[in-house]
Amino acid sequence: KAGVTQTPRYLIKTRGQQVTLSCSPISGHRSVSWYQQTPGQGLQFLFEYFSETQRNKGNFPGRFSGRQFSNSRSEMNVSTLELGDSALYLCASSLGMGRAYEQYFGPGTRLTVT
Amino acid sequence: DAKTTQPNSMESNEEEPVHLPCNHSTISGTDYIHWYRQLPSQGPEYVIHGLTSNVNNRMASLAIAEDRKSSTLILHRATLRDAAVYYCILKESGNQFYFGTGTSLTVIP
Repeated sequence: KAGVTQTPRYLIKTRGQQVTLSCSPISGHRSVSWYQQTPGQGLQFLFEYFSETQRNKGNFPGRFSGRQFSNSRSEMNVSTLELGDSALYLCASSLGMGRAYEQYFGPGTRLTVT
Repeated sequence: DAKTTQPNSMESNEEEPVHLPCNHSTISGTDYIHWYRQLPSQGPEYVIHGLTSNVNNRMASLAIAEDRKSSTLILHRATLRDAAVYYCILKESGNQFYFGTGTSLTVIP
């Protein structure tokens, strides 16, 4: 079974621009979560989608948004990019929601904002 | 978010067992204990998870204390490929993981 795929793998944007990142979950997985990883803050939860609905949201400004499609694929969007948005953005998929489900992470998208 | 405490770093000799501890004294009765690891330049990788009983899989074993306030991830024979940051996480609900700083494992050849 193919793993979680994320595109693009690397991205360079200019401050003020917007960016869209894509995530394809493992086949059959209905939950997709997004995380931001930076050297200073570590891994931080952004949001989670299940059955096309946002179920949980982390403590990030409204410039960060996402959506999930009927095939469970997900996109996240960051508008008005700031230098501090430079990070590794990770997507994870899971069969379902709940404490007993493990998550499988993709390789991440490395975003650099200049 | 429930908290876990792990040592910042540990070392192990290659081909020896490694015991990675995790304290979670505020765990509730329904929290699952999850372990993930992150190799350099990769996304986190699922290792193992459990609720009350000890768990084994092809990668590792998870030993959970009787009072569930601590757990230990056991790698039976460390290899150089096991050098990574290991995260112990309590999963309360949904798929919202709160990652701490983890334990950086160094494997010495």
